[in-house]
Amino acid sequence: EVQLVQSGAEVKKPGESLKISCKGSGYSFTSYWIGWVRQMPGKGLEWMGIIYPGDSDTRYSPSFQGQVTISADKSISTAYLQWSSLKASDTAMYYCARQNDKAAASDAFDIWGQGTMVTVSS
Amino acid sequence: DIQMTQSPSSLSASVGDRVTITCRASQGISNYLAWFQQKPGKAPKSLIYAASSLQSGVPSKFSGSGSGTDFTLTISSLQPEDFATYYCQQVYTYPRTFGQGTKVEIK
Repeated sequence: EVQLVQSGAEVKKPGESLKISCKGSGYSFTSYWIGWVRQMPGKGLEWMGIIYPGDSDTRYSPSFQGQVTISADKSISTAYLQWSSLKASDTAMYYCARQNDKAAASDAFDIWGQGTMVTVSS
Repeated sequence: DIQMTQSPSSLSASVGDRVTITCRASQGISNYLAWFQQKPGKAPKSLIYAASSLQSGVPSKFSGSGSGTDFTLTISSLQPEDFATYYCQQVYTYPRTFGQGTKVEIK
């Protein structure tokens, strides 16, 4: 079964660092992009960025560039989203999702992780 | 960035109704459009890619159409399990922007 399994919920204080994960299974991890999507409480979906684990090619939304770092370890089929200094405004649900790599209209997210809730509070 | 605008933001409908949601891109994106469904407390689910192609396992009551800047998602006969929020997303260029969502509620 193709699936993405994310790490568990986190509660952190402002200024702390955090790295959450997304592990892929059931497919060739290096042949698909993994994207990250933020959903703040009661709000819509925001595209943050994406990585191609095959060569670590990474793209960021300008809204998130410099605020987060996306990485991947293809040896363990896992992508990461990390913060060096969290803010209260980072409180949100974060989803990872798989995307095709065919440079075509079919390159949409098809499989989603279950989400990781990050709460930042003093 | 390409802006994606959905209308309406919310709608009330009855079981059995035909429902249409519209998504407009701020510039032409050919057929590089996807649709997603999200139920409360759940991860989004992928419904449609390339504007009109159903993802594997998605029932045929869902259909998508459009090209260029204007797109629609249609649910042919609304069922209780279809009450959810629906999002469009352009996959034409980075950053891959989403619409603001359309909440489909029970009348």
